[in-house]
Amino acid sequence: AQSVSQHNHHVILSEAASLELGCNYSYGGTVNLFWYVQYPGQHLQLLLKYFSGDPLVKGIKGFEAEFIKSKFSFNLRKPSVQWSDTAEYFCAVNVRAGGFKTIFGAGTRLFVKA
Amino acid sequence: NAGVTQTPKFQVLKTGQSMTLQCAQDMNHEYMSWYRQDPGMGLRLIHYSVGAGITDQGEVPNGYNVSRSTTEDFPLRLLSAAPSQTSVYFCASQTRRLAEETQYFGPGTRLLVL
Repeated sequence: AQSVSQHNHHVILSEAASLELGCNYSYGGTVNLFWYVQYPGQHLQLLLKYFSGDPLVKGIKGFEAEFIKSKFSFNLRKPSVQWSDTAEYFCAVNVRAGGFKTIFGAGTRLFVKA
Repeated sequence: NAGVTQTPKFQVLKTGQSMTLQCAQDMNHEYMSWYRQDPGMGLRLIHYSVGAGITDQGEVPNGYNVSRSTTEDFPLRLLSAAPSQTSVYFCASQTRRLAEETQYFGPGTRLLVL
């Protein structure tokens, strides 16, 4: 069965630390990959997405992610986090199969200490 | 644009009660969907609609009904609430039902079933 795994459920960092959140998916066909963020009390919103081309994708607020097809991974990175990055981060994969199906990871709660 | 709106924000039900969660979007999006978010499980698709008058089941449809009489509205009905339906419910919309399109999410409805 198709699935998306986010390796860390909770991450605590100090401001200026580097961030990497892991995301792996299990599906051998064509995929589109997304990272969504949910700030406290707000909607889920798109951080970045990959659907073709350069596997290194840059998103809003200094985030980037790299699609490594051979590893079925789409890890999210940020060189230096800020207190305002405290949020829950969701990796999602659109699996193309007779249309498409969206599969979300369980989410990673990031807390950045000021 | 208000984007995707959901009402109510919070609801407490007793087992066996019925209720309707409202979702509306003002972006003229064709595709709308309902998800539930449970701890450690990410978002799971309940039902979706590719346009007015057309709905289909997602991965966890049991206990829920939907209809799409207009492009703007996509209500979710709980016919006889059960404690297992305690969750956070998100409505989402996107322009077209294509795998590379971004989904826009509502603020969520927190439902507690006693």
